[in-house]
Amino acid sequence: QVQLQESGPGLVKPSQTLSLTCTVSGASISSPGYYWSWIRQHPGKGLEWIGYMYYSGSAYYNPSLESRFFISVDTPRSQFSLKVTSVTAADTAVYYCARLRSGWYAFDYWGQGALVSVSS
Amino acid sequence: SSELTQDPPVSVALGQTVRITCQGDSLRYYFASWYQQKPGQAPILVIYGKTSRPSGIPDRFSASSSGNTASLTITGAQAEDEADYYCSCRETTNHEVFGGGTRVTVL
Repeated sequence: QVQLQESGPGLVKPSQTLSLTCTVSGASISSPGYYWSWIRQHPGKGLEWIGYMYYSGSAYYNPSLESRFFISVDTPRSQFSLKVTSVTAADTAVYYCARLRSGWYAFDYWGQGALVSVSS
Repeated sequence: SSELTQDPPVSVALGQTVRITCQGDSLRYYFASWYQQKPGQAPILVIYGKTSRPSGIPDRFSASSSGNTASLTITGAQAEDEADYYCSCRETTNHEVFGGGTRVTVL
């Protein structure tokens, strides 16, 4: 059974860097055909795709977002991470990690989500 | 802002059928996927590809597509189907997008 689990601080101060990690179990993060993704949801709002990383190490981001988002992968630990620099209150959201299955063009497994609040 | 447009909130009587739609130019080239999200929970995939359901998703969920519009139909809605439903699609190569969501209330 594939499982994804987000971890990281629930509170970040403005202007600092938000860092989240997603630990994957039940699947190989280095298998071709999957994109390891980050998606966020502002309180009471819809889903917003942030970006994803392919097993090869190539990362792709939502062009509507500023260049403050960075995704990396740690294959030996079966983890991938999201960093958001210079955060503001507008970055307060639930952050989900998810796996996009390229053959399906669909996010087939999701983490339970991590609420990150940006506040001083 | 979403490049996929979804319906406003809808309600359906228990056991009846409801169809919600998702519109966007990218749907002419890529299939939509559909997600169900209940309060306080992560989304789950209910439809992918043309009309496929992941294992464990009831067959009362179905989908169709025509031109720039994709539809999700719940035939014989149950109380547990009350949720927000999101469509998603590939916008361009290596660029995914979600619709704004539609809340379905089962009366």
